[in-house]
Amino acid sequence: DAKTTQPTSMDCAEGRAANLPCNHSTISGNEYVYWYRQIHSQGPQYIIHGLKNNETNEMASLIITEDRKSSTLILPHATLRDTAVYYCIVRVGSYSGGSNYKLTFGKGTLLTVNP
Amino acid sequence: DSGVTQTPKHLITATGQRVTLRCSPRSGDLSVYWYQQSLDQGLQFLIQYYNGEERAKGNILERFSAQQFPDLHSELNLSSLELGDSALYFCASSVGERGGLNEQFFGPGTRLTVL
Repeated sequence: DAKTTQPTSMDCAEGRAANLPCNHSTISGNEYVYWYRQIHSQGPQYIIHGLKNNETNEMASLIITEDRKSSTLILPHATLRDTAVYYCIVRVGSYSGGSNYKLTFGKGTLLTVNP
Repeated sequence: DSGVTQTPKHLITATGQRVTLRCSPRSGDLSVYWYQQSLDQGLQFLIQYYNGEERAKGNILERFSAQQFPDLHSELNLSSLELGDSALYFCASSVGERGGLNEQFFGPGTRLTVL
């Protein structure tokens, strides 16, 4: 899996957009960008994923640069409940089971939404 | 609430002991995945079961074992516990055998503390 780099922490005011960057300069052509978040000591929650095109769902938008070497997760109107660690993961979209199946979340970005 | 349940929520035990963690997948899901999350290692995939059979193995120690029962609940057994085994243990479930990252739903986790 391609290595990702995220800032350790970010702050955002409640009601404003939160823009979380992720660098993945070694991404391969068949690797997707996934975003998860984890609210303190709870299970990880899937947010969104994409390959090349920008994506939007009810939770967030994902902007992937044309060269696919970086992406930005956008929470359009951050709330206090969005305070969490956000993980950017890059890997192939299809399950690659067997002895080689590994999934590693890095350290992620701690997003703190302030009132 | 993801629909995945895990018990117990917290577990405190001593080195050398053996513990069992339990996971019930979402209704209709046939796959169960186990993950370990420690502060310095991020989220590490351990093992996957699909409909009672082992499907994939990740970074699981030989002291650890798991199984999935006919009712599809799963148990993760940790033996000869060491201080370094202290971590959050998550299970996730998915409908299919090859659950992609966007198809796995995580439980709330079990916090294991080894003293």
